Amino acid sequence: SQTIHQWPATLVQPVGSPLSLECTVEGTSNPNLYWYRQAAGRGLQLLFYSVGIGQISSEVPQNLSASRPQDRQFILSSKKLLLSDSGFYLCAWSIPNPEQFFGPGTRLTVL
Amino acid sequence: AQSVAQPEDQVNVAEGNPLTVKCTYSVSGNPYLFWYVQYPNRGLQFLLKYITGDNLVKGSYGFEAEFNKSQTSFHLKKPSALVSDSALYFCAVRDFGTGNQFYFGTGTSLTVIP
Repeated sequence: SQTIHQWPATLVQPVGSPLSLECTVEGTSNPNLYWYRQAAGRGLQLLFYSVGIGQISSEVPQNLSASRPQDRQFILSSKKLLLSDSGFYLCAWSIPNPEQFFGPGTRLTVL
Repeated sequence: AQSVAQPEDQVNVAEGNPLTVKCTYSVSGNPYLFWYVQYPNRGLQFLLKYITGDNLVKGSYGFEAEFNKSQTSFHLKKPSALVSDSALYFCAVRDFGTGNQFYFGTGTSLTVIP
């Protein structure tokens, strides 16, 4: 069966520091991968999605970036964090099922 | 443009009573519709989906949803609410005609009162 992992689970970072969040999927090949941010426990904002290695689509201009160095690995990065980057970051995958499956999330607090 | 609306930020229901969480959608093609549930500080869990066929779809934990094409709605229902159903619920739509994106509603917070 397929599983999705995210780490770390929680992270506290100072403003201006770099960021690297990692997501990996097991049990499937060539998945579509997604990064979302959820602020204040409500709506989901799609940040990036990828249909294959090295293929990244950005939905929101910001100081974040994403990379997909391997088929089942999706990384969210920033060179300098802002206070507004605080939130709950969710990774998700889809294909071959039509629905998405979500990871456990990373709670990021920028101080 | 594709979109999903959840008109209620908050729904309160007494334990044992039926519950409904509303969702309407707008897509250019045939919709694939989904419901997810989120507990505090957790990822979203898939509940059910409508792809094609019977308008009433059944999912996990006793939830069901009714697809209504003429009203462009996909309301989530449960005949008898449990306190443990208290959570945040998201409706989502996927339009394969526009690629691989999913469009989520803003979420409805359900509170089941003992």
